Amino acid sequence: AQSVTQLGSHVSVSEGALVLLRCNYSSSVPPYLFWYVQYPNQGLQLLLKYTTGATLVKGINGFEAEFKKSETSFHLTKPSAHMSDAAEYFCAVTRDNAGNMLTFGGGTRLMVKP
Amino acid sequence: DTEVTQTPKHLVMGMTNKKSLKCEQHMGHRAMYWYKQKAKKPPELMFVYSYEKLSINESVPSRFSPECPNSSLLNLHLHALQPEDSALYLCASSQDGYGYTFGSGTRLTVV
Repeated sequence: AQSVTQLGSHVSVSEGALVLLRCNYSSSVPPYLFWYVQYPNQGLQLLLKYTTGATLVKGINGFEAEFKKSETSFHLTKPSAHMSDAAEYFCAVTRDNAGNMLTFGGGTRLMVKP
Repeated sequence: DTEVTQTPKHLVMGMTNKKSLKCEQHMGHRAMYWYKQKAKKPPELMFVYSYEKLSINESVPSRFSPECPNSSLLNLHLHALQPEDSALYLCASSQDGYGYTFGSGTRLTVV
């Protein structure tokens, strides 16, 4: 069975600082991994995904994530935080190798200080 | 069209009411999902439809009844809900598990 753990339910950074949101997964099969962002009172927007191929994945809004199989990690980074990045971020993994069920981590709330 | 559209955006209903949530996508995706999200929690899977057939029911109470009339539409019929069912209900679709597109959700309040 697949599962996802996000380390840190709240992360606070200063505007312009590096953003690092941590995600570790457990999976009995090669996983498909996703990062989603959710702004208040809105749905989920896909930031980026890893399925196969290049392990460094670039997404929207300047975010990127690196799949590290040896560390079972898929951490999300952004070199310079903007105030508009303040939101809830969810790491997710498909629950089966048919990719039909998405399981989410507990979420990390990113706060950006001026 | 690359969106999943959910209606209504907000719904307030009494515990004896019957209402329906609607979800529509025109991306040709053959899998559609209902998720429930409580405040400050991740979304939890409720139902999965694959090729218009119910493939997953995550032990959801029978007061929630899903329906997939065709490949573009997904409904969630609500009856005799409890206040603890108040949540954001999210619909999503995917073609092959490589990418899921979520709607903006229906904020449900049961009074």
